[in-house]
Amino acid sequence: DTGVSQNPRHKITKRGQNVTFRCDPISEHNRLYWYRQTLGQGPEFLTYFQNEAQLEKSRLLSDRFSAERPKGSFSTLEIQRTEQGDSAMYLCALQTSQGGTEAFFGQGTRLTVV
Amino acid sequence: TQLLEQSPQFLSIQEGENLTVYCNSSSVFSSLQWYRQEPGEGPVLLVTVVTGGEVKKLKRLTFQFGDARKDSSLHITAAQPGDTGLYLCAGVPPYDYKLSFGAGTTVTVRA
Repeated sequence: DTGVSQNPRHKITKRGQNVTFRCDPISEHNRLYWYRQTLGQGPEFLTYFQNEAQLEKSRLLSDRFSAERPKGSFSTLEIQRTEQGDSAMYLCALQTSQGGTEAFFGQGTRLTVV
Repeated sequence: TQLLEQSPQFLSIQEGENLTVYCNSSSVFSSLQWYRQEPGEGPVLLVTVVTGGEVKKLKRLTFQFGDARKDSSLHITAAQPGDTGLYLCAGVPPYDYKLSFGAGTTVTVRA
């Protein structure tokens, strides 16, 4: 148990549909990250939150992607008008509040766009 | 383009053999972490190295951070089938928190 719960675990959607993923930290961590991982690659940074503030977004994050962390606890990642290239594993990760850089990952959401 | 280059990309060995995975970069990192990932799961942290030249041992796993803090290696002694997985290195640049990952090394240990 990494202290991070992600839902759903798997999502199959048709191209053009919108999808939303959720990340629920079980304990308090002020830094929350979203990463995307495609087959044969390591995770790539998408965005991160410090409490409820979204402090950085990658150039990978197109206008179709939006993330929120409304109360500084859970976070959502929405993809609008999905494309086949969006198919990937979407990972949520937490870092502790004490300045450490160790990241604790959720089990991820596997998105397949057909 | 990933900041960290891992080699080899794939490694298949017999149970009982030793293996080494390398993680190289031209950039300096304030810390470097190694993760292990199984199919369909998120990465799980194995170790963090912070000091140049640091060596950490975790049972049969030995991790080394280069003197210049640009590279690292993971050595597994007497590998077991349970060591099978994707090994990822991740670096944290100075004055930052977010991790930059290598592409990973897929290790298969045959019984």
